[in-house]
Amino acid sequence: KQEVTQIPAALSVPEGENLVLNCSFTDSAIYNLQWFRQDPGKGLTSLLLIQSSQREQTSGRLNASLDKSSGRSTLYIAASQPGDSATYLCAAGHTGGFKTIFGAGTRLFVKA
Amino acid sequence: DTEVTQTPKHLVMGMTNKKSLKCEQHMGHRAMYWYKQKAKKPPELMFVYSYEKLSINESVPSRFSPECPNSSLLNLHLHALQPEDSALYLCASSQTGDGSGYTFGSGTRLTVV
Repeated sequence: KQEVTQIPAALSVPEGENLVLNCSFTDSAIYNLQWFRQDPGKGLTSLLLIQSSQREQTSGRLNASLDKSSGRSTLYIAASQPGDSATYLCAAGHTGGFKTIFGAGTRLFVKA
Repeated sequence: DTEVTQTPKHLVMGMTNKKSLKCEQHMGHRAMYWYKQKAKKPPELMFVYSYEKLSINESVPSRFSPECPNSSLLNLHLHALQPEDSALYLCASSQTGDGSGYTFGSGTRLTVV
């Protein structure tokens, strides 16, 4: 059974810092790995999707990497801003893509 | 249109009530999902529809009844819920099960009293 773990559970950084959020998964037979952002009480916004054959994806200040062999993904946020404050969830998709298992998330607070 | 729309945004219902949650997308996605999310917990998969057919039911209690009347609509019918069913209910869609990634709605905040 797939388990997805995110470290740290919470993170507080000053504005402008570069930071890394970590995601690990126990079953490397994943179909894809997706990173989401969730603001309090809101739905999930997709940030980056990495297919199993890819190593990384980039969008603006965000870069996500995937290492299937070690069961890890990282989300790199450059030059953090207060507007980046949210919970970031990673999700491992399984063959067929129908079953996606979420990590518990990292709550990020960026101080102005 | 690149959105998944969920209605209502908030719902308060008694344990004897019957209500429905609605989800709509016009992106041509053929897979649609219901997730349940408790506070400070990750979303948990409830149901998956593929081409309007129920393909996954994650052992959800029968007081939750999904329905997919067409490729753009997904409903979740609620009856005789318990207070512990209070949660954020999220709908999502994807092209199919091809790993193309999910688009989520903003959710329905359900409170059972």
